[in-house]
Amino acid sequence: GENVEQHPSTLSVQEGDSAVIKCTYSDSASNYFPWYKQELGKRPQLIIDIRSNVGEKKDQRIAVTLNKTAKHFSLHITETQPEDSAVYFCAASEAGTALIFGKGTTLSVSS
Amino acid sequence: EPEVTQTPSHQVTQMGQEVILRCVPISNHLYFYWYRQILGQKVEFLVSFYNNEISEKSEIFDDQFSVERPDGSNFTLKIRSTKLEDSAMYFCASSRQGDRETQYFGPGTRLLVL
Repeated sequence: GENVEQHPSTLSVQEGDSAVIKCTYSDSASNYFPWYKQELGKRPQLIIDIRSNVGEKKDQRIAVTLNKTAKHFSLHITETQPEDSAVYFCAASEAGTALIFGKGTTLSVSS
Repeated sequence: EPEVTQTPSHQVTQMGQEVILRCVPISNHLYFYWYRQILGQKVEFLVSFYNNEISEKSEIFDDQFSVERPDGSNFTLKIRSTKLEDSAMYFCASSRQGDRETQYFGPGTRLLVL
């Protein structure tokens, strides 16, 4: 089955810096890659996703890149703000089946 | 904006007891999921449900677990005889026809088994 690895497990940046979180997946059949943000004690919130027919997608300060050949995808947050502090999870799935999550990255943005 | 809702928010139970966790998916969604998250760990898939039957389940979803859509709005997860290791946050999620991949999560039920 699918296995998703996520790095780093923790990331500390200064406000205004960029943050990059990387994930790799094992199943070449996976074609949907969402990123969720989870604040303490709250539900995972979808912040951006990418499908395998594109290589990059951007939404304001957040972007995701996908390299299908290498089976990895990354989340890029620019101009980080304290409210970006949370746990970020990547996930992979094939055509709407189960989401397989990475272990999460705790992002801390200090002002 | 419509959201997935879950009840109760917290549940404490004794080992061996049955619990039922309830979810109300977004009204026009047809695909339903249960995930769990043990404290400090990643979110793990349990089961998916479509057209009144299970479409996929993980190794975690053993005979102690069952799901049901008892009416047009609720989607439930039953754990027949709870174990200490069932303590976790349980999330329901749903997605719609035409965009099955995009899953929206509920706020979760924190289950504590003593």
